[in-house]
Parts: sequence; structure tokens; C-alpha cells
Amino acid sequence: GQQVMQIPQYQHVQEGEDFTTYCNSSTTLSNIQWYKQRPGGHPVFLIQLVKSGEVKKQKRLTFQFGEAKKNSSLHITATQTTDVGTYFCAFSGGSNYKLTFGKGTLLTVNP
Amino acid sequence: DAGVTQSPTHLIKTRGQQVTLRCSPKSGHDTVSWYQQALGQGPQFIFQYYEEEERQRGNFPDRFSGHQFPNYSSELNVNALLLGDSALYLCASSPTGSEQYFGPGTRLTVT
Repeated sequence: GQQVMQIPQYQHVQEGEDFTTYCNSSTTLSNIQWYKQRPGGHPVFLIQLVKSGEVKKQKRLTFQFGEAKKNSSLHITATQTTDVGTYFCAFSGGSNYKLTFGKGTLLTVNP
Repeated sequence: DAGVTQSPTHLIKTRGQQVTLRCSPKSGHDTVSWYQQALGQGPQFIFQYYEEEERQRGNFPDRFSGHQFPNYSSELNVNALLLGDSALYLCASSPTGSEQYFGPGTRLTVT
């Protein structure tokens, strides 16, 4: 079935540095969602992208959906210690109600 | 406005036993999904309930079953527990079947 690959698996940055995680699919996606899971916590919905080439911003976070709708990225500008956690991309498709998650990117931030 | 609630928080069971996990969706949400999250992995879709019916099922054996009640709350039952069933079980609700609002999860340990 359809899958998404996330890279990198881990990323360690100094506070203030930028961070980007990528989500790639071999097939066209109808949508992409991003979730954040803090250590010991549960996934929290961040955003959904549905349009080709779509770019959305939430404060220091920028989300992009590729023109071919096969990839997506999440970029954090000037990371803070509160950004620590695992970032997951996920998709659902057509009449497919289930969400399929990537394996996530674990971000750690050194203060 | 209470979010998604789950009980119990933690559970320890022995191989071969049966377990029931409970979930109350966010107010106004009528769709409940269950996910299994192994350590270091993304959540894996188990099934989704809507209007008290199982609407879609992931790749999980029949040992995993569920129920949704008229008040939209839901139960996940797992029979004949295996060591590999040890995981965080997440319940998520949604108003539209799209973005998911996750509960805090139930940590199940099978010994």
C-alpha cells in the first residue's frame, strides 16, 4: 500500500538553528497532514495541506506540499527548546478514512 | 471543553489474557479511530468507527475488535494477548474524518 518516507530519522540542533524534515511518497497524495508528538505525549495535529504547491505558515513553522503532491516539508526557523519532539507526516486518500503515518523525525534542541 | 479522554492510563497484562480500553471523543465529534504506536514508530491504524459501525479496518488480526456506543464513546478489545501487543494505544476523534484529535493514550504492557 501507499507509504511515506520521512527523513531524517533524527536531528539534533543548537537552539536558534533552523530545522527541516521531509516527507516523500512514490505515489500522488490527496493530502498531507503534520503532527507533533512531545516525548511521553500524544500526536497533536499541526496542519493539513491539500493543494499542489501549497505553502502555509504558523509563526516559525512553514509547511509545503510539492507541485506533484508527492512530497512535503516542515521547516522551523530559529528552533527553541519547546520545539523538541517527533514530527510526523500522515496522509489519507479518497474514500480511505485511515491515516497512514510516516516513522517521524525526532528533533532534539540543545539550549 | 474536554478533549479526547482514554482509560486506563497504564495497564499490565499477561500473555493470553484479554484487555478492554476505553475512549470518549471530543465533544461534537462522531468519528473515533484507534491506533497502535510501538516505541519509536508512527501510529498504525487499527480501525475507525462511525455511527456505531466499523467503517474501515487496518491490517490487524481479528483478535482486535471494537465497539462504538450511541454517545460516540468507544472500546477497543484485544483477545489472546501477545508480547508484541505491548504498545501505546491511541484513540482519536474527528468531526469530519479528516484531522485527528488524539487522546493521551493507554500504555499496555504484556508480560
